[in-house]
Amino acid sequence: AQSVTQLGSHVSVSEGALVLLRCNYSSSVPPYLFWYVQYPNQGLQLLLKYTSAATLVKGINGFEAEFKKSETSFHLTKPSAHMSDAAEYFCAVSGRWGKFQFGAGTQVVVTP
Amino acid sequence: DAGVTQSPTHLIKTRGQQVTLRCSPKSGHDTVSWYQQALGQGPQFIFQYYEEEERQRGNFPDRFSGHQFPNYSSELNVNALLLGDSALYLCASSLDRDRGLSGANVLTFGAGSRLTVL
Repeated sequence: AQSVTQLGSHVSVSEGALVLLRCNYSSSVPPYLFWYVQYPNQGLQLLLKYTSAATLVKGINGFEAEFKKSETSFHLTKPSAHMSDAAEYFCAVSGRWGKFQFGAGTQVVVTP
Repeated sequence: DAGVTQSPTHLIKTRGQQVTLRCSPKSGHDTVSWYQQALGQGPQFIFQYYEEEERQRGNFPDRFSGHQFPNYSSELNVNALLLGDSALYLCASSLDRDRGLSGANVLTFGAGSRLTVL
């Protein structure tokens, strides 16, 4: 069975500081990994995906994530936080038939 | 290009009632998946429809059923509502052919239908 674990349900960062959101996965086969963002009262929006090509994946809004097989991790980073990054972020793993398993989410608060 | 549209956006029901939620997929998409997102949690997979048939199902009881129409739109039905069914129900669409090309579907989500059961 595939699953993901997000470390930290809430993260507070200062505007301009590094954003680091942690995700570890469990999968018996090479996984397909995703990060989605959810703004209040909206659905989920894709930030980036890993599908076994480059291990460093660049997404929208300046976010990127690195796949590390040895650590079973897929952490999300952004060098400089912006107020508009305040949202909830979900890591997800997908099997071949497109069934997604989401983590519990990490709420990001950006302080001035 | 319209994305995924869901209706209604909000609704309130009482225990024991039945509810139907509707979803129109993104133009060009042929696969629809439904997810339940309880407050403070990540989305949980309910089921997926492709070619008008349920292709996969998550750990949800038979009270949860669905349908996909020839135009790829979909409905989620929940019978005998319980208080615990209160959640945001998300519809996501994708193109099955993309799964073959890249090995992974990319889901496009709607804004959801928020169901409150009293």
